[in-house]
Amino acid sequence: KQEVTQIPAALSVPEGENLVLNCSFTDSAIYNLQWFRQDPGKGLTSLLLIQSSQREQTSGRLNASLDKSSGRSTLYIAASQPGDSATYLCAVKGYGGSQGNLIFGKGTKLSVKP
Amino acid sequence: EAQVTQNPRYLITVTGKKLTVTCSQNMNHEYMSWYRQDPGLGLRQIYYSMNVEVTDKGDVPEGYKVSRKEKRNFPLILESPSPNQTSLYFCASSFGGPLNTEAFFGQGTRLTVV
Repeated sequence: KQEVTQIPAALSVPEGENLVLNCSFTDSAIYNLQWFRQDPGKGLTSLLLIQSSQREQTSGRLNASLDKSSGRSTLYIAASQPGDSATYLCAVKGYGGSQGNLIFGKGTKLSVKP
Repeated sequence: EAQVTQNPRYLITVTGKKLTVTCSQNMNHEYMSWYRQDPGLGLRQIYYSMNVEVTDKGDVPEGYKVSRKEKRNFPLILESPSPNQTSLYFCASSFGGPLNTEAFFGQGTRLTVV
């Protein structure tokens, strides 16, 4: 059964720092991996989608990488800002009967201090 | 604008009083699903639907029902809510199967059962 782990569970950094959030998954048979952002009490906003055939995707200050063989993904945030404070979730979409099912990690809660 | 709409956003109810949370998407997605999010447990799938009249259980289906009579709508029904169903609920939609497209989430419904 697919399991997704995110480390660290929480992270606090000063404004301006570059940072990396980690996501690992146990089964490499995935269609894609998606990173989300969740603000307190709010819904999930999709940040980046990496297909299984891709190695990385970029959007603005965000860069996500995928190493399917080792079951790892990273989300790199450059020049962090207080507005980046949120919980970041990664989710994998796997093969099998429920072909749209996303398996989520428990998230990394990021706090960027001014 | 592409979106998934849930209603209501907030709901307080009493044990045993039947309720329905609605979900609608405007992207012609085949795949829709419901998740609940609980502290320390992350997001867990309740039910999913791969198309009209096709539904199946996710990881935590007990106490819930769903229906998919139209492609755009996927209501979540709690026939007899109990306090352990107090949670934050999310509806999601995407194209099904191996298509590598992102999943879209609603803004969430915070349910409290007293």
